[in-house]
Amino acid sequence: EIVLTQSPGTLSLSPGERATLSCRASQSVPYNYLAWYHQKPGQPPRLLIYGASGRATGIPDRFSGSGSATDFTLSIRRLEPEDFAFYYCQQYGSSPLTFGGGTKVEVK
Amino acid sequence: QITLKESGPTLVKPTQTLTLTCTFSGFSLGTNGVAVDWIRQPPGKALEWLAVISWNDDKRYSPSLSSRFTITEDTSKNQVVLTITNMDPVDTATYYCAHRLFPSRGGAGGFDVWGQGTMVTVSS
Repeated sequence: EIVLTQSPGTLSLSPGERATLSCRASQSVPYNYLAWYHQKPGQPPRLLIYGASGRATGIPDRFSGSGSATDFTLSIRRLEPEDFAFYYCQQYGSSPLTFGGGTKVEVK
Repeated sequence: QITLKESGPTLVKPTQTLTLTCTFSGFSLGTNGVAVDWIRQPPGKALEWLAVISWNDDKRYSPSLSSRFTITEDTSKNQVVLTITNMDPVDTATYYCAHRLFPSRGGAGGFDVWGQGTMVTVSS
């Protein structure tokens, strides 16, 4: 099973700042099949990034994903008020599928 | 437009069996590359993948939970059913079903559409 470790646990930033979130895998993610989601309280997660760097439909270009093998990064270029939420990475290259523990992006 | 909706009891007692239904529209589970997964989230905790059923009737489960879980489909009703035996308070969570289209068929591969989730509490 591929274990995903996200860091930091909490990121305190101001609107307009850049956010950088990390997701590290215990072994190489096949085909870089790594996705990122954000989730607001009381709502289901929403797919942001797939295949490590592909933006999902309707996702603004301030969101970008990068990385390969065991190290992946989600960057948010300029934080908007609606971006303050929880973020999860998830790998779908190997069964069982697994999620990271999440990063909370909060208002500083 | 793809939609999914979870339904089932909101409260079950320990040791009981839970049956959750995911009713979907806008796609067919018989289409090559399509899958429906179940994911859960205990209150205040992270997401946990549970099970998947794919277009070719391939079924996979989380290894730590597989002995208690069964995933099936009712093609005529556009439903996927997850059954969990021997429920325990640690199974208290919001349960989501989600759509996936495999990359080999041009899809994202991640969970691109989610249901709203259904909260299940396990308590006597």
